[in-house]
Amino acid sequence: QSVLTQPPSVSAAPGQRVTISCSGSISNIGSNSVSWYQQFPGTAPKLLIYDNDKRPSGIPDQFSGSKSDTSATLGITGLQTGDEADYYCGTWDSNLSSAVFGGGTKVTVL
Amino acid sequence: EVELVESGGGVVQPGESLRLSCTVSGFTFGSFWMSWVRQAPGKGLEWVANIDQAEDVGEKNYVDSVRGRFTISRDNAKNLLYLQMRSLRVEDTAVYFCVRGGVQFWHWGQGALVTVSS
Repeated sequence: QSVLTQPPSVSAAPGQRVTISCSGSISNIGSNSVSWYQQFPGTAPKLLIYDNDKRPSGIPDQFSGSKSDTSATLGITGLQTGDEADYYCGTWDSNLSSAVFGGGTKVTVL
Repeated sequence: EVELVESGGGVVQPGESLRLSCTVSGFTFGSFWMSWVRQAPGKGLEWVANIDQAEDVGEKNYVDSVRGRFTISRDNAKNLLYLQMRSLRVEDTAVYFCVRGGVQFWHWGQGALVTVSS
């Protein structure tokens, strides 16, 4: 059972938009910045979003992040088959003194 | 180019020890927090430990399930990050990633597989 809650899967047609939610509590998302990661099978994760809504150099604006209270959202527009991957949210939990991740969301392009 | 390369993974029996190493290049190692993150087969990501920039007296944090069994350390002169794992359990079986960052994880190694099995 992950500290942060994500839907196991989301799907949409090519070109459409999907959003992935990440729900936490006041001690984690409510108090700290959220980051998002993309992982393809058999490879290491890659940072997509940091500080809730910022994109590292080289990450296209197809990806966006937002945070409100104790929840965060990753948005992916212009969905392509190459975006099929697992996506994880992460943050620090001040009560646990631990970094925590969501359980991951598998994105499928229909 | 930032590069992180893990080594030291393998197959061990429950109760045994193993030390992972991570060699980094492409950035000033001593200026950054570092972490270990693991992923059990077919499962999600789990943060294991982090360490601040200092070597001996720096801040270290651990997930509850490994505290007291695992020790994170670093050698800034050699650009090396370590994870000493003791009293290994079957549930410690995972790919262990060396990561730049303490809370937000900017760069990842390719991972080292640790299998604990009798």
